[in-house]
Amino acid sequence: GAVVSQHPSRVICKSGTSVKIECRSLDFQATTMFWYRQFPKQSLMLMATSNEGSKATYEQGVEKDKFLINHASLTLSTLTVTSAHPEDSSFYICSAPNPSAGNTGELFFGEGSRLTVL
Amino acid sequence: AQSVTQPDIHITVSEGASLELRCNYSYGATPYLFWYVQSPGQGLQLLLKYFSGDTLVQGIKGFEAEFKRSQSSFNLRKPSVHWSDAAEYFCAVASGTYKYIFGTGTRLKVLA
Repeated sequence: GAVVSQHPSRVICKSGTSVKIECRSLDFQATTMFWYRQFPKQSLMLMATSNEGSKATYEQGVEKDKFLINHASLTLSTLTVTSAHPEDSSFYICSAPNPSAGNTGELFFGEGSRLTVL
Repeated sequence: AQSVTQPDIHITVSEGASLELRCNYSYGATPYLFWYVQSPGQGLQLLLKYFSGDTLVQGIKGFEAEFKRSQSSFNLRKPSVHWSDAAEYFCAVASGTYKYIFGTGTRLKVLA
């Protein structure tokens, strides 16, 4: 079964509203999680690294105030898309390091959340 | 600059035929290499990985990949494709910091 779970899997919202996406690690703790964005028929781009108990680290070009990340517990990270606009429509995927894989860089990925902004 | 190239955007094969998906990378050190599969609307599932040792690695669902340092390649292969293998395949490189660089993906179509 899935070891990283996202919710919701699909969300549709009106332009100007905010949307929260949750990412949970199941049966293991994740001090770090990663948020990716995938445009249609394109690859995944790392948006930010979510750090439990501290501020997220954003990749160059990603608006911190637009994409708020909170990692309040060892099993939950949230991504809030604030004042969403149609161009924010995308597939958002979170991931967490496989705790059994040592420092090898292996990640578990969530099922993804498809955001559609009308 | 670090990069991953998947030259084939689309590949179509007949069920039962062999498959090879290409992946080339540019990376300063010996990378950690991964192949993931993504079904429509789904997240990514790890097929296999290479960190060190034997350059031919076996994965799930009958897939294998070979790391060739001299060619900076990590091609994915399967001897006999099944219709359920139709999906998008991503090659990725990473360091111990978990920052992945993904290729643009190869969409596999399987003909009955």
